[in-house]
Amino acid sequence: QVTLKESGPALVKPTQTLTLTCTFSGFSLTTRGMRVNWVRQPPRRALEWLARIDWDGDKFYSTSLKTRLTISKDTSKNQVVLIMTNMDPADTGTYYCARVPGEHYGMDVWGQGTTVTVSS
Amino acid sequence: QSVLTQPPSVSGTPGQRVTISCSGTNSNIGSNTVNWYQQLPGTAPKLLIYLDDERPSGVPDRFSGSKSGTSASLGISGLQSEDGADYYCATWDESLNVVVFGGGTSLTVL
Repeated sequence: QVTLKESGPALVKPTQTLTLTCTFSGFSLTTRGMRVNWVRQPPRRALEWLARIDWDGDKFYSTSLKTRLTISKDTSKNQVVLIMTNMDPADTGTYYCARVPGEHYGMDVWGQGTTVTVSS
Repeated sequence: QSVLTQPPSVSGTPGQRVTISCSGTNSNIGSNTVNWYQQLPGTAPKLLIYLDDERPSGVPDRFSGSKSGTSASLGISGLQSEDGADYYCATWDESLNVVVFGGGTSLTVL
């Protein structure tokens, strides 16, 4: 059974750095074609893609957020970490990680999401 | 403003068929396969359609996907009250090297 679960602080202050961890099971990020994405959703708004890391270490970032994001993986721990710097109240929302099992496939399994509020 | 364009809302009565459109460009829909996601209120998105028109195991065949040129569509036939949700299209954009989502369409079953 494939599962993903996001973890991180529920509340961060403006200008602080957010670190989110996606812990997964049931698959390996060393499998050819495997990818993990981060997607967020502000309250009552649309989904927004943030970043992706591939089985071979390739990384891709949202154009508008690339200067603030860093994605990494620890295959021994089955974890993917997303770091977002200089947090702003506009970054408040639910953050999801999701698996893609191969090129051109969709995000077939999602975590439950973790809610992050940015407020002083 | 989203790269992919969807209607903000659609509605239908039980048993009807509705379609949700998703418009893009040559660098995204025109070059890559489209995926559709269903998001029920308060839950994580769920993959509904992948590779333009494939259904994951467990997704009813009432849901269908199609693509032509730079546009894609999600069809839902035999509408049921439980289909009331937000629906998103998504694909890869070759020019930007990013995943792009549509703005989402809220389906109301009257």
